[in-house]
Amino acid sequence: DAGVTQSPTHLIKTRGQQVTLRCSPISGHKSVSWYQQVLGQGPQFIFQYYEKEERGRGNFPDRFSARQFPNYSSELNVNALLLGDSALYLCASSLGSQRDDTQYFGPGTRLTVL
Amino acid sequence: AQKVTQAQTEISVVEKEDVTLDCVYETRDTTYYLFWYKQPPSGELVFLIRRNSFDEQNEISGRYSWNFQKSTSSFNFTITASQVVDSAVYFCALNSGGYQKVTFGTGTKLQVIP
Repeated sequence: DAGVTQSPTHLIKTRGQQVTLRCSPISGHKSVSWYQQVLGQGPQFIFQYYEKEERGRGNFPDRFSARQFPNYSSELNVNALLLGDSALYLCASSLGSQRDDTQYFGPGTRLTVL
Repeated sequence: AQKVTQAQTEISVVEKEDVTLDCVYETRDTTYYLFWYKQPPSGELVFLIRRNSFDEQNEISGRYSWNFQKSTSSFNFTITASQVVDSAVYFCALNSGGYQKVTFGTGTKLQVIP
């Protein structure tokens, strides 16, 4: 079975631009979460979506938004990009939305903001 | 609030040596879940193990073993007879919230030298 897929793999943007990252969960998984991983750090939780509804949000500004589609895929949008948004953005999927549901991660999208 | 501390930033071992990666966690919840993930240079987080707070039994999977001790809030990971393919960054993570906001440690970079 295919794992979590993310697109694009790499992305270069300039300050002030907007970016959309995409994620397709493992087949049968209904929950998608997004994490930001800055170089040298552990992933930081951004959002969790389950059945198209936001279930959790981390400490990120309103410039970050996300949504989940009926097929459970998800998009993460970041507006007004800052240099500090440069990071690896990881998507994780799980069967359900509970904390004992193991999250499986995709390969990530590496965003560089110049 | 939940917190995960991985005090070892980098560890180097010679192939076939045993190595233990330390993880100390903080949470006020009585029910929580602990995880270990491996992140090879490709960037994708690979799930290794999940442990709930009610199960203190140690677990062994091949060359990997995990020691969970609630009394010291630790969840250490040992690799026996390390191999070059074990070289990666290893993350310990904790989920004690009501949804899937997983808190990651800062990771331990393991280098296995042939």
